[in-house]
Amino acid sequence: RKEVEQDPGPFNVPEGATVAFNCTYSNSASQSFFWYRQDCRKEPKLLMSVYSSGNEDGRFTAQLNRASQYISLLIRDSKLSDSATYLCVVTTNTGGFKTIFGAGTRLFVKA
Amino acid sequence: DTGVSQDPRHKITKRGQNVTFRCDPISEHNRLYWYRQTLGQGPEFLTYFQNEAQLEKSRLLSDRFSAERPKGSFSTLEIQRTEQGDSAMYLCASSSLAGGPHNEQFFGPGTRLTVL
Repeated sequence: RKEVEQDPGPFNVPEGATVAFNCTYSNSASQSFFWYRQDCRKEPKLLMSVYSSGNEDGRFTAQLNRASQYISLLIRDSKLSDSATYLCVVTTNTGGFKTIFGAGTRLFVKA
Repeated sequence: DTGVSQDPRHKITKRGQNVTFRCDPISEHNRLYWYRQTLGQGPEFLTYFQNEAQLEKSRLLSDRFSAERPKGSFSTLEIQRTEQGDSAMYLCASSSLAGGPHNEQFFGPGTRLTVL
C-alpha cells in the first residue's frame, strides 16, 4: 500500500462545477499536510496547508480527518485555469523525516 | 527573482557519465530538499539539509548519488555513472526554519535529466 494515495483521475468538469478530491495516508503519526498544484511540465506550487480545523482560501476548502487519515480539497465554481494536477503532501518526523507526495489527481475544467 | 533557482534546466548525458546539478534556495531559508519526479508520479524525496547538515537521506539515494550544501546556502546534487533509469526531473525546494517543522516548501523549476 502506498503511503499517500490519491485517485489519479482525470476529473473532467464543466466551468462553474464543484469538484472534490480525497487523499488517504497510512502513517497515523504524520504531522503536516498540504495541497500543491502542478501544471504540465512545471514545478509544484503550494496551494494551501491543511489544518485539523479545516481551512478555506477563496474557492478552495481543505479538510483534515486524522481519525480516518484522509485529507480533502474542495474547489467551488471551477475555472478553466484550475486545470492542473493536484498533489496531496504529508510530512512525518518519526523514524526520520520524510515528505511524501501522492501521485496527483488530474483535473480538466472545460468551457 | 528571489525564488528557488536551479541550474542547468536541462541536461542530456550518455550512460556512465557523471552529472552535477545546482540549487540556490530562497536566501533566508535554512532547509533545502532534493526530489526526483518521473512522468505520472509525484515528487519522490531524496534528501534534506538543515543549514549545511544533511539530516536525512532516502533509500532511493544510492551510492551513486551525493548531495552537499557546504556553506548552508546553495546545494549540489551529483550523480555518478549515470544509468538510463536516472532520467527524471530533479527538483529542489526550500523552506524556512521558522513557522514549525517542515512547513511550506517552495520549489525551483527543476533540472530535467535525460540519460541516453
